[in-house]
Amino acid sequence: AQKVTQAQTEISVVEKEDVTLDCVYETRDTTYYLFWYKQPPSGELVFLIRRNSFDEQNEISGRYSWNFQKSTSSFNFTITASQVVDSAVYFCALSEISSGSARQLTFGSGTQLTVLP
Amino acid sequence: DAGITQSPRHKVTETGTPVTLRCHQTENHRYMYWYRQDPGHGLRLIHYSYGVKDTDKGEVSDGYSVSRSKTEDFLLTLESATSSQTSVYFCAISDVGIYGYTFGSGTRLTVV
Repeated sequence: AQKVTQAQTEISVVEKEDVTLDCVYETRDTTYYLFWYKQPPSGELVFLIRRNSFDEQNEISGRYSWNFQKSTSSFNFTITASQVVDSAVYFCALSEISSGSARQLTFGSGTQLTVLP
Repeated sequence: DAGITQSPRHKVTETGTPVTLRCHQTENHRYMYWYRQDPGHGLRLIHYSYGVKDTDKGEVSDGYSVSRSKTEDFLLTLESATSSQTSVYFCAISDVGIYGYTFGSGTRLTVV
């Protein structure tokens, strides 16, 4: 069975600090996708990134970067020079591909990030 | 340009009453899902559908039923609402070759 763990329930930082959100996953499949979603106070779920299990290259998008390490089953998310608008709940999620399931996403419990001015 | 809409957006209902939430998509996607979001639990899968009249249970399906008679509509029914079903419900869609979801805006359901 697949499982995603986000051990950090809440994180509070001061604006311009860097912050890393941790995500650890469990799966028996060799083929899977990992995701990060952002949920701002308005409540919608915003897609941030998708990474497949064959691509361990780190990715950077502006102030956001992601570190995928299969050896430790982790897919961590770093925000550089955080801003107040980054305040949100962030979810990590996993989708097994080879299991034949209908692409169900399994979500972590989320990390509430608060960026203080 | 919302390809997926949920209705209603908010609902307050009494314990023991039936409730139906609707998810409507205009993307012609094959897969549709219902999740509930609760503090400390993230999003948990209730039911999903992989085609018209093809549905299956998710992790937290007790007390819920679903129907999909058309590609575009996926209904979630609480036969007899309980206070433990107070939650935010999200519908999502996906398709063959697409790995990831498009989410609806959510329905906030309060059972009093």
